Amino acid sequence: NAGVTQTPKFRILKIGQSMTLQCAQDMNHNYMYWYRQDPGMGLKLIYYSVGAGITDKGEVPNGYNVSRSTTEDFPLRLELAAPSQTSVYFCASSPTSHSQGAWYEQYFGPGTRLTVT
Amino acid sequence: AQSVTQLGSHVSVSEGALVLLRCNYSSSVPPYLFWYVQYPNQGLQLLLKYTTGATLVKGINGFEAEFKKSETSFHLTKPSAHMSDAAEYFCAVTGSGGYNKLIFGAGTRLAVHP
Repeated sequence: NAGVTQTPKFRILKIGQSMTLQCAQDMNHNYMYWYRQDPGMGLKLIYYSVGAGITDKGEVPNGYNVSRSTTEDFPLRLELAAPSQTSVYFCASSPTSHSQGAWYEQYFGPGTRLTVT
Repeated sequence: AQSVTQLGSHVSVSEGALVLLRCNYSSSVPPYLFWYVQYPNQGLQLLLKYTTGATLVKGINGFEAEFKKSETSFHLTKPSAHMSDAAEYFCAVTGSGGYNKLIFGAGTRLAVHP
């Protein structure tokens, strides 16, 4: 199992450009998430998905969009990049097992470091 | 609403010394609590978790944490620090509304010096 994979690892964008951060998991998890991590702020949830075709906003969704056409993939789209979107982005997934706590164990990808200048 | 407070954004210990990372939470429902560790330039990995039952939980790499409901705390400890423990540690609590949402603390960066 590769687990959760993310591409690219690093990216520099100019203000106003757009890009898609890719995320894939091979664990057949239904739940997937996108977070951003800023220094001293912990992780903030951007969007999440409970299955193919179902997505919803998290705590900080403005400036981002997602889609979930398959169980495996959960791309994050930035349409008009702004300096405030400079951050490290993590994708995560979690299983739907009914054993206690397993629902809440999230498996993280290695992250994408994005700089907008 | 659920929230997590980690006391001390930076903690420094000597190799072999006790590690204590503090986490307090607020939750309107019985919480599930987690500690995650992030090594430099990597994603987060689960260190340990509390769901129900025994309040002292053991995790990987010799870490453990104790759930204290009366103090709304879930502090992380390790009896003897190793250089390889240097990392950032995040406490998390289950959010409301289901769908496995986690609320993370701001993180504590642990430095271990010889």
